[in-house]
Amino acid sequence: DIQMTQSPSSVSASVGDRVTITCRASQGIRSWLAWYQQKPGKAPKLLMYAVSSLQSGVPSRFSGSGSGTDFTLTISGLQPEDFATYYCQQANSFPSTFGQGTKLEIK
Amino acid sequence: QVQLVESGGGLVKPGGSLRLSCAASGFTFSDYYMSWIRQAPGKGLEWISYISSSGDTIYYADSVKGRFTISRDNTKNSLYLQMNSLRAEDTAVYYCARDLSVVVPVGFMDVWGRGTTVTVSS
Repeated sequence: DIQMTQSPSSVSASVGDRVTITCRASQGIRSWLAWYQQKPGKAPKLLMYAVSSLQSGVPSRFSGSGSGTDFTLTISGLQPEDFATYYCQQANSFPSTFGQGTKLEIK
Repeated sequence: QVQLVESGGGLVKPGGSLRLSCAASGFTFSDYYMSWIRQAPGKGLEWISYISSSGDTIYYADSVKGRFTISRDNTKNSLYLQMNSLRAEDTAVYYCARDLSVVVPVGFMDVWGRGTTVTVSS
């Protein structure tokens, strides 16, 4: 199985800050990577897919980049509603696997 | 609106069985591949099973293979997960989710239900 490792596991930031979350795959996954946001007690929400494609309705302050094994999610100009846990997911091969999550907290 | 609603969760003893359902509405269910994903308390997301739009292609995670069975009824716009030989480690919130693409499945999930909680305990 492909292992997805996110860093950091948690990060504190302030409204207006720029935050970058990293996801590393244990083997190449081409562009088969997505990012999800999850708030407590809620289902995950798709933010980005195919590395850098923004899901409909997601604000443009979210962006994604990378290829092969190393990927990043960047949030530019943090808003109060962005404080949540973020997961990367690979869909290159079965079983699809998720990173362990990055909790974004308010500083 | 596009919606998925899970049901069927509950408390079950180790070794017991449970059948989860996921009712779809607001879209052409028969066009989409569907998945079940679970989340243990305080833990991350684990994809567990996937079924093609027609039901003829199915995948399972090793953690549930041989114990869980995914199925669907396109006439009822419903997805199912039959869970047998349940273990304490199966305790989780179970989500059903829709594949992003209708033409060729991509494995990314754009619509999720709210989840149903399964607790395996004696």
